[in-house]
Amino acid sequence: DAGVIQSPRHEVTEMGQEVTLRCKPISGHNSLFWYRQTMMRGLELLIYFNNNVPIDDSGMPEDRFSAKMPNASFSTLKIQPSEPRDSAVYFCASRGLAGDIGELFFGEGSRLTVL
Amino acid sequence: AQSVTQLGSHVSVSEGALVLLRCNYSSSVPPYLFWYVQYPNQGLQLLLKYTSAATLVKGINGFEAEFKKSETSFHLTKPSAHMSDAAEYFCAVTLGAGSYQLTFGKGTKLSVIP
Repeated sequence: DAGVIQSPRHEVTEMGQEVTLRCKPISGHNSLFWYRQTMMRGLELLIYFNNNVPIDDSGMPEDRFSAKMPNASFSTLKIQPSEPRDSAVYFCASRGLAGDIGELFFGEGSRLTVL
Repeated sequence: AQSVTQLGSHVSVSEGALVLLRCNYSSSVPPYLFWYVQYPNQGLQLLLKYTSAATLVKGINGFEAEFKKSETSFHLTKPSAHMSDAAEYFCAVTLGAGSYQLTFGKGTKLSVIP
């Protein structure tokens, strides 16, 4: 079975540009998470979707960040305009039934560098 | 609210030696606890989890962890380190079946010396 698929794996862009990160969760999973990982702050939850509906976006840093989940098999995280402090590894993770307590399946991440 | 503290951001052990990675948690209710492993340039994957059943939990790759309520700890151990164990390890806590919030520690990078 395919795992969580993220694209692009690496993105280098200039400050002010729009960045779109993409995620395809595991088929059948109904929960999707976007995390950001940095050396300084570790892993931070940005947003959580359940059944395609955003449930908790309190971790989204500011209005420059937005996330969508138009259907069960696709999600995007957009940063517009990007800033150097957004440089990080962004992970998408999905989870299946409620009984799979805490078992998140992570993608390989999208490493973003904003110059 | 819940939190985890991982003692030591970097641990080095010799191949064949005991691995001990420390995790202490804080939780207002009985927690569910997890250890995840991250290999270089990869996402995190679940090593093992404690969900209020047996306090000694066995995971993949020979790792195990013991939940000690009196010490609010969930330390990860492996009797004999292998070179392939070199990775970063994250302890995480959630408040139970109905919670989606998984709070991660800052991680401990394990190096294995030949």
